[in-house]
This record gives sequence, C-alpha cells and structure tokens, in this order.
Amino acid sequence: NAGVMQNPRHLVRRRGQEARLRCSPMKGHSHVYWYRQLPEEGLKFMVYLQKENIIDESGMPKERFSAEFPKEGPSILRIQQVVRGDSAAYFCASSQDVGNTEAFFGQGTRLTVV
Amino acid sequence: GENVEQHPSTLSVQEGDSAVIKCTYSDSASNYFPWYKQELGKGPQLIIDIRSNVGEKKDQRIAVTLNKTAKHFSLHITETQPEDSAVYFCAAVTGNQFYFGTGTSLTVIP
Repeated sequence: NAGVMQNPRHLVRRRGQEARLRCSPMKGHSHVYWYRQLPEEGLKFMVYLQKENIIDESGMPKERFSAEFPKEGPSILRIQQVVRGDSAAYFCASSQDVGNTEAFFGQGTRLTVV
Repeated sequence: GENVEQHPSTLSVQEGDSAVIKCTYSDSASNYFPWYKQELGKGPQLIIDIRSNVGEKKDQRIAVTLNKTAKHFSLHITETQPEDSAVYFCAAVTGNQFYFGTGTSLTVIP
C-alpha cells in the first residue's frame, strides 16, 4: 500500500507563473489536508478536503490559492501568479475518516519562486 | 479554536539519555493526540498517538502520556540514539481539524 504521494518534489516557478501541486492520498483515504511550512517553522494549515468537497479552507489565502479533490484523480493545490513569498514546502496528509484517526503525510513539494 | 503550545523549541541530549517534549492544548473537545517526527527534507512521519480514553501508551523506546484534566500530553524518548535527531511535532485533533504545535528540534549528541 503506497503512502501519500506528492509531486513534483521540487518545483521552480518565475514570479507571475502558476504552480500546481498534486497529492494522491493513501488507498482508501478520502480526506486530504494541505499544509505549508516555511524553513525552520511549523506546519500551517491551509485547507481540508473530502472527495469533491472543500470542508475547511480557513487557512488558505483568499486570493491566488485554490484547492480541489475531484472524484477521480489527485488533490490539486493551485497557486496563481506566484510571488517570492509563496516559496515554501507544501505538505499534504490523508486520513481514512474524520478526526480520531491517523493522518499520514507525503514527502512534500518544495516550491521556489525566482 | 484550539491552541497547542509545545516546549521546548530546541532540546539537546547526550546519547543514551532520555528526552521529554511537552504540549498543552486548550479545547477540551480534542480527543486524539498524534506525534510526528520530521527529518530534514522529509515529510512528517507519525510515530505514536494516543486517544482521550487512554492515559499512557508505549512503543519500544517512545511513550506518550496524556492528562486530560490538565490538558497536557508529553512525548518521552528513552535511550536516545543519534537517529532520533529530528523535529518533533505534537498535534491535538478536534473534529476534523489537526492543530499542530510549533515543533521541537531534538539533537542527540553521540
């Protein structure tokens, strides 16, 4: 059973371009969380999705950022018109059910905006 | 909402000694408390967890204790080894939301 798969592992974008980060949850998991981590800092919650639904996006900037988790395929975190401040590691985690169950993280996508 | 505080932010121990990391939380509705270990350049890895109906859980050299009355939980690592060096995050889970502490950077000195 493969773990949470994120790709790409590293992504370089010029200012103003779009970044698309993909997350395939563990088999059987229908809940996905996205977190952002700046160097030597903690995990900052961005968005929580269930299949085809955004459950909680309170941590996501209102502009330029969007997320989806379609019925088929991976969850996508999309950042439009990237700026240098978007440079960070973005992690997704998946779980089988809400709350009182384990959540497992992917290896992250390191976004660098030049 | 939930507020999780984690201490210390950095911790250095001699190989073979014990390490203790403490977290407090504010929301009494939190009922699940996982701990994650993050090595450099990698994603957080779940190492142990505890649910609110249990006071202590042990897995080889690591153990977690939970005091629901005081709203705090702790990670204990005994007989530390250099490969234990990493950043450790605690979390408190309320409903569908994971609230993470700010992390503890543990260094085990050979």
